[in-house]
Amino acid sequence: EAQVTQNPRYLITVTGKKLTVTCSQNMNHEYMSWYRQDPGLGLRQIYYSMNVEVTDKGDVPEGYKVSRKEKRNFPLILESPSPNQTSLYFCASSRNPGQSYYEQYFGPGTRLTVT
Amino acid sequence: AQSVTQPDIHITVSEGASLELRCNYSYGATPYLFWYVQSPGQGLQLLLKYFSGDTLVQGIKGFEAEFKRSQSSFNLRKPSVHWSDAAEYFCAVVSGRAGNTGKLIFGQGTTLQVKP
Repeated sequence: EAQVTQNPRYLITVTGKKLTVTCSQNMNHEYMSWYRQDPGLGLRQIYYSMNVEVTDKGDVPEGYKVSRKEKRNFPLILESPSPNQTSLYFCASSRNPGQSYYEQYFGPGTRLTVT
Repeated sequence: AQSVTQPDIHITVSEGASLELRCNYSYGATPYLFWYVQSPGQGLQLLLKYFSGDTLVQGIKGFEAEFKRSQSSFNLRKPSVHWSDAAEYFCAVVSGRAGNTGKLIFGQGTTLQVKP
């Protein structure tokens, strides 16, 4: 089954404790992206990756890091989480956006609470 | 600046009634348009998309949407709502030009409540 998986699904942590949220897709997609969802703001892009070893900032990258060492994986790293990073996080993947008629597939989401 | 506006934050309809969710976009380039649905505690599921061609597109679960370039709108419709349609709905746009970054720009979302 074609899917995007994220782990963990729920996480409660404390300020300053480094954490990683994993994302994996089995569709051989070149493009992967992270979004955060906050009430009244919709989803906003944090980082994206056009392919292995190619990453770039989205609209709200502060406080986050990413890496893309393998095509299927795109982990989101919070080196020193703060309460304003409490949010619902989604990973997405798609074929190369430069091609026509693509769509993004979303993971189930990770709800992060930073106290 | 590129943006998507969903004017209705919350809508309540009776089961069996028709539904229209509004979406307006501001985008200079050729837009690709999407509607996603998010059920409580779930991820985002694509309902339908518009890239080009026929401006009335059909999606899953009986939904359809009409692209109106002159009004910069992409409204979602369903003729008869079911209780299971209660969810949050997001309109999104991405650049249709080659070389785009793939960033989806989302509206704020519309929460649909269905009355029995």
